[in-house]
Amino acid sequence: EPEVTQTPSHQVTQMGQEVILRCVPISNHLYFYWYRQILGQKVEFLVSFYNNEISEKSEIFDDQFSVERPDGSNFTLKIRSTKLEDSAMYFCATSRARASGANVLTFGAGSRLTVL
Amino acid sequence: GNSVTQMEGPVTLSEEAFLTINCTYTATGYPSLFWYVQYPGEGLQLLLKATKADDKGSNKGFEATYRKETTSFHLEKGSVQVSDSAVYFCALSYNTDKLIFGTGTRLQVFP
Repeated sequence: EPEVTQTPSHQVTQMGQEVILRCVPISNHLYFYWYRQILGQKVEFLVSFYNNEISEKSEIFDDQFSVERPDGSNFTLKIRSTKLEDSAMYFCATSRARASGANVLTFGAGSRLTVL
Repeated sequence: GNSVTQMEGPVTLSEEAFLTINCTYTATGYPSLFWYVQYPGEGLQLLLKATKADDKGSNKGFEATYRKETTSFHLEKGSVQVSDSAVYFCALSYNTDKLIFGTGTRLQVFP
Protein backbone atom coordinates (compact mmCIF):
# COMPACT_ATOMS: atom_id res chain seq x y z
CA GLU A 1 0.00 0.00 0.00
CA PRO A 2 1.37 3.45 -0.91
CA GLU A 3 2.86 5.38 1.99
CA VAL A 4 3.71 8.93 2.91
CA THR A 5 7.34 8.96 4.04
CA GLN A 6 8.70 11.51 6.51
CA THR A 7 12.29 12.29 7.43
CA PRO A 8 13.90 12.62 9.87
CA SER A 9 11.97 10.49 12.33
CA HIS A 10 13.51 12.44 15.19
CA GLN A 11 15.53 15.65 15.22
CA VAL A 12 17.10 17.40 18.17
CA THR A 13 18.11 21.02 17.63
CA GLN A 14 19.19 24.07 19.56
CA MET A 15 16.83 27.00 19.98
CA GLY A 16 17.26 29.50 17.17
CA GLN A 17 18.40 26.96 14.61
CA GLU A 18 16.64 26.32 11.31
CA VAL A 19 14.98 22.97 10.81
CA ILE A 20 13.65 21.37 7.63
CA LEU A 21 11.25 18.46 7.84
CA ARG A 22 10.73 16.44 4.68
CA CYS A 23 7.80 14.50 3.31
CA VAL A 24 7.55 12.30 0.23
CA PRO A 25 3.89 12.17 -0.76
CA ILE A 26 2.09 9.39 -2.58
CA SER A 27 2.84 9.84 -6.26
CA ASN A 28 -0.61 10.81 -7.58
CA HIS A 29 -1.54 12.98 -4.61
CA LEU A 30 -1.90 16.70 -5.24
CA TYR A 31 -2.94 18.12 -1.88
CA PHE A 32 -0.46 18.35 0.96
CA TYR A 33 -0.82 19.18 4.62
CA TRP A 34 1.21 19.62 7.77
CA TYR A 35 -0.17 18.96 11.23
CA ARG A 36 1.57 18.92 14.56
CA GLN A 37 0.97 17.49 18.00
CA ILE A 38 2.61 18.93 21.06
CA LEU A 39 2.99 16.21 23.68
CA GLY A 40 -0.29 15.62 25.48
CA GLN A 41 -2.22 18.06 23.32
CA LYS A 42 -4.43 17.86 20.25
CA VAL A 43 -3.25 17.24 16.72
CA GLU A 44 -3.40 20.71 15.16
CA PHE A 45 -3.65 21.80 11.54
CA LEU A 46 -0.78 23.97 10.34
CA VAL A 47 -1.11 24.44 6.60
CA SER A 48 -2.53 23.07 3.36
CA PHE A 49 -0.75 23.33 0.02
CA TYR A 50 -1.96 22.80 -3.52
CA ASN A 51 -0.64 23.76 -6.94
CA ASN A 52 2.50 25.24 -5.39
CA GLU A 53 0.56 27.60 -3.18
CA ILE A 54 -0.63 27.69 0.38
CA SER A 55 -4.40 27.25 0.29
CA GLU A 56 -5.07 27.60 4.01
CA LYS A 57 -3.02 28.13 7.12
CA SER A 58 -3.70 28.31 10.83
CA GLU A 59 -2.67 31.08 13.19
CA ILE A 60 0.14 28.80 14.41
CA PHE A 61 1.73 29.03 10.95
CA ASP A 62 3.44 32.39 11.40
CA ASP A 63 6.38 33.93 9.55
CA GLN A 64 8.78 31.45 11.12
CA PHE A 65 7.19 28.65 9.11
CA SER A 66 7.31 28.02 5.37
CA VAL A 67 6.46 25.17 3.01
CA GLU A 68 7.56 24.29 -0.48
CA ARG A 69 7.95 21.53 -3.03
CA PRO A 70 11.47 22.29 -4.15
CA ASP A 71 11.84 19.48 -6.65
CA GLY A 72 8.27 18.47 -7.45
CA SER A 73 8.45 15.43 -5.21
CA ASN A 74 9.47 16.32 -1.65
CA PHE A 75 7.18 18.54 0.36
CA THR A 76 9.06 20.38 3.08
CA LEU A 77 8.24 22.30 6.23
CA LYS A 78 10.88 24.80 7.30
CA ILE A 79 11.03 26.43 10.70
CA ARG A 80 13.36 29.39 10.37
CA SER A 81 14.38 29.95 13.97
CA THR A 82 13.12 27.28 16.31
CA LYS A 83 11.66 28.02 19.72
CA LEU A 84 11.23 25.70 22.67
CA GLU A 85 7.48 25.60 22.04
CA ASP A 86 8.06 24.21 18.54
CA SER A 87 8.93 20.87 20.14
CA ALA A 88 6.26 18.52 18.82
CA MET A 89 5.50 15.65 16.49
CA TYR A 90 4.96 16.96 12.97
CA PHE A 91 2.76 14.95 10.64
CA CYS A 92 2.66 15.28 6.88
CA ALA A 93 -0.53 14.22 5.11
CA THR A 94 -1.48 14.03 1.46
CA SER A 95 -4.61 13.34 -0.57
CA ARG A 96 -5.60 12.92 -4.18
CA ALA A 97 -8.42 15.45 -3.85
CA ARG A 98 -9.34 18.17 -1.39
CA ALA A 99 -9.60 16.57 2.03
CA SER A 100 -13.09 17.75 2.84
CA GLY A 101 -16.06 15.61 3.65
CA ALA A 102 -15.53 12.09 2.42
CA ASN A 103 -12.06 12.56 0.96
CA VAL A 104 -9.33 10.86 2.94
CA LEU A 105 -5.91 11.95 4.07
CA THR A 106 -2.94 9.59 4.16
CA PHE A 107 -0.59 10.48 6.98
CA GLY A 108 3.09 9.86 7.45
CA ALA A 109 4.53 8.38 10.65
CA GLY A 110 5.63 11.79 11.85
CA SER A 111 8.86 13.64 12.62
CA ARG A 112 9.55 14.32 16.25
CA LEU A 113 11.26 17.67 16.79
CA THR A 114 12.93 18.40 20.10
CA VAL A 115 14.17 21.96 20.65
CA LEU A 116 16.65 22.44 23.49
CA GLY B 1 -15.55 27.34 16.86
CA ASN B 2 -15.46 23.69 15.84
CA SER B 3 -13.88 21.29 18.30
CA VAL B 4 -13.62 17.64 19.32
CA THR B 5 -13.46 16.25 22.82
CA GLN B 6 -12.55 12.67 23.50
CA MET B 7 -12.06 10.71 26.67
CA GLU B 8 -8.69 10.73 28.36
CA GLY B 9 -6.64 7.61 28.33
CA PRO B 10 -5.09 5.28 28.70
CA VAL B 11 -7.89 2.79 28.39
CA THR B 12 -6.67 -0.58 29.64
CA LEU B 13 -8.63 -3.71 28.77
CA SER B 14 -8.22 -7.45 28.73
CA GLU B 15 -8.48 -9.26 25.43
CA GLU B 16 -12.09 -9.88 24.30
CA ALA B 17 -13.44 -7.05 26.46
CA PHE B 18 -15.93 -4.50 25.09
CA LEU B 19 -14.47 -1.15 24.09
CA THR B 20 -16.05 2.28 24.10
CA ILE B 21 -14.07 5.45 23.47
CA ASN B 22 -16.25 8.53 23.81
CA CYS B 23 -16.08 11.42 21.38
CA THR B 24 -18.26 14.51 21.29
CA TYR B 25 -18.03 17.45 18.97
CA THR B 26 -18.98 21.08 18.66
CA ALA B 27 -19.61 22.37 15.17
CA THR B 28 -21.69 24.83 13.21
CA GLY B 29 -23.75 22.78 10.81
CA TYR B 30 -23.14 19.10 10.10
CA PRO B 31 -19.52 18.08 9.87
CA SER B 32 -18.03 14.85 8.60
CA LEU B 33 -16.71 12.71 11.44
CA PHE B 34 -13.73 10.38 11.51
CA TRP B 35 -11.80 7.98 13.69
CA TYR B 36 -8.10 7.66 12.97
CA VAL B 37 -5.78 5.10 14.56
CA GLN B 38 -2.04 5.30 15.11
CA TYR B 39 -0.20 2.04 15.72
CA PRO B 40 3.26 2.30 17.30
CA GLY B 41 5.81 3.74 14.88
CA GLU B 42 3.25 4.37 12.13
CA GLY B 43 1.24 7.28 10.76
CA LEU B 44 -2.38 8.05 11.47
CA GLN B 45 -4.65 5.75 9.45
CA LEU B 46 -8.31 6.30 8.76
CA LEU B 47 -10.28 3.70 10.69
CA LEU B 48 -13.83 4.75 9.80
CA LYS B 49 -15.92 7.76 8.92
CA ALA B 50 -19.49 9.05 8.70
CA THR B 51 -20.56 12.01 6.65
CA LYS B 52 -24.14 12.59 7.78
CA ALA B 53 -26.39 12.13 10.78
CA ASP B 54 -27.35 8.53 11.68
CA ASP B 55 -24.63 7.11 9.41
CA LYS B 56 -22.68 4.25 10.95
CA GLY B 57 -19.04 3.87 10.03
CA SER B 58 -17.47 0.44 10.49
CA ASN B 59 -14.16 -1.26 9.86
CA LYS B 60 -12.16 -4.12 11.41
CA GLY B 61 -14.92 -4.78 13.95
CA PHE B 62 -15.00 -1.14 15.09
CA GLU B 63 -18.18 0.92 14.74
CA ALA B 64 -19.24 4.49 15.38
CA THR B 65 -22.63 6.12 14.77
CA TYR B 66 -23.04 9.81 13.95
CA ARG B 67 -25.50 11.06 16.58
CA LYS B 68 -26.69 14.56 15.81
CA GLU B 69 -28.93 14.81 18.86
CA THR B 70 -26.07 14.14 21.28
CA THR B 71 -23.30 15.52 18.99
CA SER B 72 -21.38 12.30 19.53
CA PHE B 73 -19.42 9.74 17.54
CA HIS B 74 -18.39 7.12 20.09
CA LEU B 75 -16.09 4.33 18.96
CA GLU B 76 -17.06 0.77 19.93
CA LYS B 77 -15.77 -2.74 19.45
CA GLY B 78 -17.37 -5.83 20.85
CA SER B 79 -14.20 -7.84 21.49
CA VAL B 80 -10.79 -6.20 21.47
CA GLN B 81 -7.53 -7.93 20.61
CA VAL B 82 -3.96 -7.23 21.70
CA SER B 83 -3.30 -6.02 18.16
CA ASP B 84 -5.84 -3.21 18.67
CA SER B 85 -3.44 -1.51 21.08
CA ALA B 86 -2.87 1.93 19.58
CA VAL B 87 -3.82 5.59 19.92
CA TYR B 88 -7.27 6.47 18.58
CA PHE B 89 -8.11 9.98 17.36
CA CYS B 90 -11.58 11.38 16.77
CA ALA B 91 -11.74 14.17 14.17
CA LEU B 92 -14.14 16.33 12.19
CA SER B 93 -14.05 18.38 9.04
CA TYR B 94 -16.55 20.96 7.92
CA ASN B 95 -16.48 22.91 4.67
CA THR B 96 -12.71 23.05 4.71
CA ASP B 97 -9.63 20.99 3.99
CA LYS B 98 -8.51 20.79 7.55
CA LEU B 99 -9.28 18.12 10.09
CA ILE B 100 -9.91 19.11 13.69
CA PHE B 101 -8.68 16.40 16.03
CA GLY B 102 -9.20 15.41 19.60
CA THR B 103 -6.27 14.73 21.89
CA GLY B 104 -6.22 11.00 21.17
CA THR B 105 -6.94 8.07 23.48
CA ARG B 106 -4.37 5.38 24.09
CA LEU B 107 -5.80 1.86 24.21
CA GLN B 108 -3.78 -0.90 25.84
CA VAL B 109 -5.08 -4.45 25.50
CA PHE B 110 -3.51 -7.21 27.59
CA PRO B 111 -3.80 -10.95 26.92
